[in-house]
Amino acid sequence: QVQLVQSGAEVKKPGASMKVSCKASGYTFTDYYMHWVRQAPGQGPEWVGWINPISGATHYIEKFQGRVTMSRDTSTSTAYMELRRLTPNDTAVYSCARGDSVRTAVGTPFDYWGPGTLVTVSS
Amino acid sequence: DIQMTQFPSTLSASVGDRVTITCRASQSISMWLAWYQQKPGKAPKLLIYRASSLESGVPSRFSGSGSGAEFTLTISSLQPDDFATYYCQHYNSYSWTFGQGTKVEIK
Repeated sequence: QVQLVQSGAEVKKPGASMKVSCKASGYTFTDYYMHWVRQAPGQGPEWVGWINPISGATHYIEKFQGRVTMSRDTSTSTAYMELRRLTPNDTAVYSCARGDSVRTAVGTPFDYWGPGTLVTVSS
Repeated sequence: DIQMTQFPSTLSASVGDRVTITCRASQSISMWLAWYQQKPGKAPKLLIYRASSLESGVPSRFSGSGSGAEFTLTISSLQPDDFATYYCQHYNSYSWTFGQGTKVEIK
């Protein structure tokens, strides 16, 4: 069965960086886009961007450009999201979510999600 | 950017009630809309895609309707397991946008 297992909770100081991992199993990692979504306390989910695991191509929403980097390690079927220059407003649960096939790329909802990683930014 | 607005933000209902949640897009999105259910501390679960298609394994008491800019999620007979927060999501090949959520509480 498809599983996305994420790294553990982190506490960061303002100005620091965070890097969350998402290890996929139960399907061919390079066949599907991996998306990252964050959810601040009491808020709805916010889509951050995607990575194409086979090519490494990425797309980030404008809000995070220059501050976020998504990467992957195909040998371990793991996706990563790094966010730099953290502020308290970045306190949120960060989740990976599987998107559509890299072959079709028509845009689909997210059928499998990781459990989320809580990142707390506080001085 | 397309904005998604859900209402109500909170809904109080009893087991057995018929429940309807509305999601409105800031412009027409055809049928590119999904609905998710989220319980505290858990990842969202996909219920409906393409506005009205039921995801495999989701109970038939859940249904979606609408097209263009206005959509609804209906639970025909609310069950104890259905008390949760529900989110709509617009998706296409380059953008994924969520609504702010509707919390379904026990009356």
